[in-house]
Amino acid sequence: NAGVTQTPKFQVLKTGQSMTLQCAQDMNHEYMSWYRQDPGMGLRLIHYSVGAGITDQGEVPNGYNVSRSTTEDFPLRLLSAAPSQTSVYFCASSRLAGDKNIQYFGAGTRLSVL
Amino acid sequence: SQQGEEDPQALSIQEGENATMNCSYKTSINNLQWYRQNSGRGLVHLILIRSNEREKHSGRLRVTLDTSKKSSSLLITASRAADTASYFCATDPFGSGGSNYKLTFGKGTLLTVNP
Repeated sequence: NAGVTQTPKFQVLKTGQSMTLQCAQDMNHEYMSWYRQDPGMGLRLIHYSVGAGITDQGEVPNGYNVSRSTTEDFPLRLLSAAPSQTSVYFCASSRLAGDKNIQYFGAGTRLSVL
Repeated sequence: SQQGEEDPQALSIQEGENATMNCSYKTSINNLQWYRQNSGRGLVHLILIRSNEREKHSGRLRVTLDTSKKSSSLLITASRAADTASYFCATDPFGSGGSNYKLTFGKGTLLTVNP
């Protein structure tokens, strides 16, 4: 059981480049989300989805796009990378089951934008 | 904005001692969770406590919740070097228009357990 898989693990971009961070889960979870983690800032929600075809913005959505064409996949797109997007990105998933929204996290993608 | 705030930001103890971390939050909640993050890894769920519960145990973990003070504490008893990690509280805001899945994480407490 793989859980939540993120690729790549590391990435270096130049300012202005675009890329897609991949996230896949094999637990049939309805809810998926993307966070960024910066030193001293904790985790901040970027975008989330409650099911295929449904996405919404979190706390820090600017500069990022998402789509959810299947239950399993939730890619995060950086359209034009900026140094401020240097961070560690985590994907998480959970069931939408009453008050037990326990989230399962991937191992993270460490992104540097030069 | 951050809902939960952990205290202290960093804690260093000796193996075998108990470690206590606190979390304060701002708005009413459905539940509160604690997660652990080992260096370079993703977060792992530890324990969930509902708003109508006051105390919960899981192995060497004890969590308390005081909704009147909007605070929670995580106690790790008989700590081990392997407990070295960052610990985060996460709250599920009550009455958030049905979106009870949007957890809000604090900034974390870095626990170091020295052998």
